[in-house]
Formats: sequence, C-alpha cells, structure tokens
Amino acid sequence: NAGVTQTPKFQVLKTGQSMTLQCAQDMNHEYMSWYRQDPGMGLRLIHYSVGAGITDQGEVPNGYNVSRSTTEDFPLRLLSAAPSQTSVYFCASGTQESGTQHFGDGTRLSIL
Amino acid sequence: LAKTTQPISMDSYEGQEVNITCSHNNIATNDYITWYQQFPSQGPRFIIQGYKTKVTNEVASLFIPADRKSSTLSLPRVSLSDTAVYYCLVGLDTGRRALTFGSGTRLQVQP
Repeated sequence: NAGVTQTPKFQVLKTGQSMTLQCAQDMNHEYMSWYRQDPGMGLRLIHYSVGAGITDQGEVPNGYNVSRSTTEDFPLRLLSAAPSQTSVYFCASGTQESGTQHFGDGTRLSIL
Repeated sequence: LAKTTQPISMDSYEGQEVNITCSHNNIATNDYITWYQQFPSQGPRFIIQGYKTKVTNEVASLFIPADRKSSTLSLPRVSLSDTAVYYCLVGLDTGRRALTFGSGTRLQVQP
C-alpha cells in the first residue's frame, strides 16, 4: 500500500540548476497538490490539480511549474533554482468529495 | 478561503486532556473543518474532520459550535507520542481544493 510516493528524498542543487521533483499516488485520487515547508513554518501551497490536464496556482507559484498528464503523477519543476527555494517539499493527494489529503514523506531540497 | 487562527504553542503532561481551539470567523457555508497532525520530518497526517456539532473518532474529538466560527480539537489522555504540530484547515472552495495551512499549534507533552 504505497500511498503517495515522492522522489528523491534529498537533493542538493546549485543556483540556476533545474530539476523535477516526482510525486506519484496509487489511490486514484483526482486531487493532487504541492506544498513547501520552511523551517519552523506551516505549509504553503505551490500548485494543485483537480484532475488530469488541469492545474492551478496556489499561494507561492513563482519559480515552479507543474503538469498533470496522468491521474497518478504530478511532477514539480524548478526552472532555475534559487537559495530561497531551499525547503522541504510535500506532495499530497485526495478526493473531490473529501476534505482530507494524504501526504508523502517529503523531499528535502537544498540550493547552494 | 477562510483564514484560521490557532495558538502558536501549548504544553501538557501525559494523561491530561488537551484542547486546541481554532478561530475561523470567515468560514463559508460549504466549508468543512479539518485537523492534521505533523511529526518532525514527516508529512501531515489527517486526524479528524467535521461540519457542525461534534465528531469523534478513535484518535480525537472535534467540537464545533452552532455559529461554526471556531472549533476545538480535543485529545484525550495525551502521551509523549502526541508531541507534534497540529493544523486546523477550513475550506472547500467549491470545485477546487486549494487547502491552505496556517502555522499550526506546537503541542509539547511532558512526562
């Protein structure tokens, strides 16, 4: 029972590099989202998707792109990494009917 | 989306009941109230959800007054393992699910 799987678990980047954080869920949830959590802070919504082919911006979308080509996958792309994007990134999924979300274990990203 | 206000931190001892109150004055008619728990280095975990009155599950109870402008998460007989951050979320933006987390309440349980 995998739930929400995020890869990689840890990553170090240099400023200006690009990378993709992967998120996959096996629960057939239509709703998926990406959050970032800075030290000692709550989670802030980056982007979310209510179904394949549909994405929308959250609170802090700048510097990130997403796509949702399948129900299962929701990758997050950092276009040109900046030190301010050093954070822990969480992916979550849920159903339209429920207000609950299932979270992955996070990706810890450091940008030098 | 309704904004929520919670205490930043709370302290308790093992075996005590802990009540964490969340204010959400701008809650909309269709909004549900959802609580999550987060341990260090882990993603948040769903605890309980409610719309009105009282909801109870094996982990906690959720009390919601008639005006729904606040809610209280009740944890019975806490243990050291309940030390975590607790988040109150409000909102089902109809047809879209942009759920926003606040800063949460950091609960410290001592022996």
